Amino acid sequence: SQQGEEDPQALSIQEGENATMNCSYKTSINNLQWYRQNSGRGLVHLILIRSNEREKHSGRLRVTLDTSKKSSSLLITASRAADTASYFCATDDHGFNAGGTSYGKLTFGQGTILTVHP
Amino acid sequence: DARVTQTPRDKVTEMGQEVTMRCQPILGHNTVFWYRQTMMQGLELLAYFRNRAPLDDSGMPKDRFSAEMPDATLATLKIQPSEPRDSAVYFCASAPGTGYTEAFFGQGTRLTVV
Repeated sequence: SQQGEEDPQALSIQEGENATMNCSYKTSINNLQWYRQNSGRGLVHLILIRSNEREKHSGRLRVTLDTSKKSSSLLITASRAADTASYFCATDDHGFNAGGTSYGKLTFGQGTILTVHP
Repeated sequence: DARVTQTPRDKVTEMGQEVTMRCQPILGHNTVFWYRQTMMQGLELLAYFRNRAPLDDSGMPKDRFSAEMPDATLATLKIQPSEPRDSAVYFCASAPGTGYTEAFFGQGTRLTVV
């Protein structure tokens, strides 16, 4: 079963614009991760946000987490054609150590297909 | 360059045949996941292992699917007998330690059952 639901299912923008993808989940989590998948390839980890964090940045990526609403968003700023891919959120909901890292079971959402036009 | 290796990359088989997919996790990683990806269902977690022991295989159809880790360097996913509805891309992923911050994915096995 899917833990997360993502919105929108597909997003088409022009190079230079920002892209925002949203993820909602159902159960309590330890952390939430975002992954990227290029067509025909495996998933690649982008960023992790812990349940006690509200916002995190990595380069052109900005992730927010609202545990009260059980939702997260991924913002890609100044998008490039090379950002064209599918983006997935994944929740880890099975136990954690004192440092907040996961023991977990990773469950993925349905993904957002992002197309960035040159 | 450490990576998760899956074999075969592509497999076409006839309905009723046994299919075995293999995964070599990154050396030292003790958590291994199997996922199935289809357009309709997205990424479904089939099973995952820690230290070679299955922690959760509730996502796997038990009547025809089985997952094992014969040793720390090999995970297998078998389907017997295969059916057309099993056609999908199967991904293996591994993660380090008892706590981790990211999972590392293989390139997947594209299975077509005709």
